[in-house]
Amino acid sequence: EPEVTQTPSHQVTQMGQEVILRCVPISNHLYFYWYRQILGQKVEFLVSFYNNEISEKSEIFDDQFSVERPDGSNFTLKIRSTKLEDSAMYFCASMGVVISYEQYFGPGTRLTVT
Amino acid sequence: DAKTTQPTSMDCAEGRAANLPCNHSTISGNEYVYWYRQIHSQGPQYIIHGLKNNETNEMASLIITEDRKSSTLILPHATLRDTAVYYCITYFGNEKLTFGTGTRLTIIP
Repeated sequence: EPEVTQTPSHQVTQMGQEVILRCVPISNHLYFYWYRQILGQKVEFLVSFYNNEISEKSEIFDDQFSVERPDGSNFTLKIRSTKLEDSAMYFCASMGVVISYEQYFGPGTRLTVT
Repeated sequence: DAKTTQPTSMDCAEGRAANLPCNHSTISGNEYVYWYRQIHSQGPQYIIHGLKNNETNEMASLIITEDRKSSTLILPHATLRDTAVYYCITYFGNEKLTFGTGTRLTIIP
């Protein structure tokens, strides 16, 4: 069964460093998303991406964040200068458009900023 | 903010049916009711969705009231692996998902 994959599973970085979180969505999907979940809190939407551009972003997704689909398979989230409060689980999701609109999530990347 | 309300937590005995309610009184005509679950800190997992008819798949059944203001997710024979946080979310199309706090379901041996 096709699935969304994410790498790395755990990333530790120092405050101020850049990180890139990688996702491989399901191959025929067209819509891509990033969410995050701070420990003990709700899952929060960050950004959605369709047709090679951002379709919606949340207030969290400020100038420090960017997304890219550099080739036909990868979807990346970059944080330019990490802060302590960026520590969270980051989930990638993708959605195809056939009959229904369920989103399929990856296992997540745990980002720890020290 | 989430547009649904769910009980904070529920317990269910292993092997019994787990019935998880959700209120979505402000649902609009084109919005579907979707259920996802999150096991421990894993990525949310799609379970089932419906518009106005009852639905069943290999994981669960979904009962939607006639006025569409509430629904119930039914796990017919709960196992320990069904222990998770269950989210009821209403949306349409490619919209972002707005997660609430969900229902923490604990299956008791």
